[in-house]
Amino acid sequence: NAGVTQTPKFQVLKTGQSMTLQCAQDMNHEYMSWYRQDPGMGLRLIHYSVGAGITDQGEVPNGYNVSRSTTEDFPLRLLSAAPSQTSVYFCASSYSGTANSPLHFGNGTRLTVT
Amino acid sequence: KQEVTQIPAALSVPEGENLVLNCSFTDSAIYNLQWFRQDPGKGLTSLLLIQSSQREQTSGRLNASLDKSSGRSTLYIAASQPGDSATYLCAASKAAGNKLTFGGGTRVLVKP
Repeated sequence: NAGVTQTPKFQVLKTGQSMTLQCAQDMNHEYMSWYRQDPGMGLRLIHYSVGAGITDQGEVPNGYNVSRSTTEDFPLRLLSAAPSQTSVYFCASSYSGTANSPLHFGNGTRLTVT
Repeated sequence: KQEVTQIPAALSVPEGENLVLNCSFTDSAIYNLQWFRQDPGKGLTSLLLIQSSQREQTSGRLNASLDKSSGRSTLYIAASQPGDSATYLCAASKAAGNKLTFGGGTRVLVKP
């Protein structure tokens, strides 16, 4: 059971480039989300999905797009990378959104934008 | 807007001492409160989840309490070991959907 798998682990982009951070889970979890972790800012929610075909914005959605075409996958797209998007990105999932459903995290993607 | 704070940001204890980690939140209308562990360069591992209707949860040497009226949760780790060295984060969920607001974490070092 792989859990939540994120690829790539590391990425360096130039300003203006685009890329997609991949996230897949094999636990049949309904809820998936993306967070970014920055020193002094903690983890902040970017986008989330409550099921296939349904996505919504979190606290810091600007500059990012998501889609959820399958239950397993929840990719995060950076359309035009900016230095402010240098961060560690975590994908997370939970079985449901109920009160007793803990969040499971991937190991993160460390992104540097120069 | 919910704000979650963890003080201190770091602490160091000798092996065998009990650890007490604090988490405070500003909005008492929470859905659940979750504690995570993060090792350097790794993702977050779920430790304990306390539902809004509960006062505490226990798992092995770990015990977490929740006091909504005072806006506090405490994570107790009994008889600390060097392997407990990590950053511990708490996070509050306001409603269904597991959209969490995280504290900044407490970095723990357990010295042999």
